[in-house]
Amino acid sequence: DAGITQSPRHKVTETGTPVTLRCHQTENHRYMYWYRQDPGHGLRLIHYSYGVKDTDKGEVSDGYSVSRSKTEDFLLTLESATSSQTSVYFCASGPFFESGYTFGSGTRLTVV
Amino acid sequence: SQQGEEDPQALSIQEGENATMNCSYKTSINNLQWYRQNSGRGLVHLILIRSNEREKHSGRLRVTLDTSKKSSSLLITASRAADTASYFCATDRGETSGSRLTFGEGTQLTVNP
Repeated sequence: DAGITQSPRHKVTETGTPVTLRCHQTENHRYMYWYRQDPGHGLRLIHYSYGVKDTDKGEVSDGYSVSRSKTEDFLLTLESATSSQTSVYFCASGPFFESGYTFGSGTRLTVV
Repeated sequence: SQQGEEDPQALSIQEGENATMNCSYKTSINNLQWYRQNSGRGLVHLILIRSNEREKHSGRLRVTLDTSKKSSSLLITASRAADTASYFCATDRGETSGSRLTFGEGTQLTVNP
């Protein structure tokens, strides 16, 4: 997990509140990604970024937004948290096309 | 929907044995990757095989790719207790906007001492 840090590592929040998860990488990677991991679904892509201020939706983007103002930071916001967004969220980065990703250690989010 | 599907979902073997995990996918790909995830941790990249490659080795890992059957296999030889983890295949379709990996649900490997 070297090179990518996620914060917080654990969070409990109430339904309806906004939540922001942070991802910081020191690898100078161009591409960054947010995935969620749920039992029975594996990892699913929420949003990704292919450069500063360049972002696009993944397969499960509803209810989420992202921002990337600097190469090293990628923020994921749950605009109004719901119980269905209880999950483990992983940030990843990659330096170029056709390369392996580096993953963070994950954020366990519980929405009550 | 998941692009990759791993088989088996769970595998239990004795230390020293070989472990084989399979992955099937649905669409054409640019490359296929395998990752390992230890419990409570992030994923770690193991190996990448491009669509024009048929086999690749890295230490005790051997990956094969059959694009005609849309399948891949990961072989771990001489397994160790430390290999206990979940293993995921991920496919990259090579979108114009860049790399986006689609993951399967994983195979849980348990290596018994």
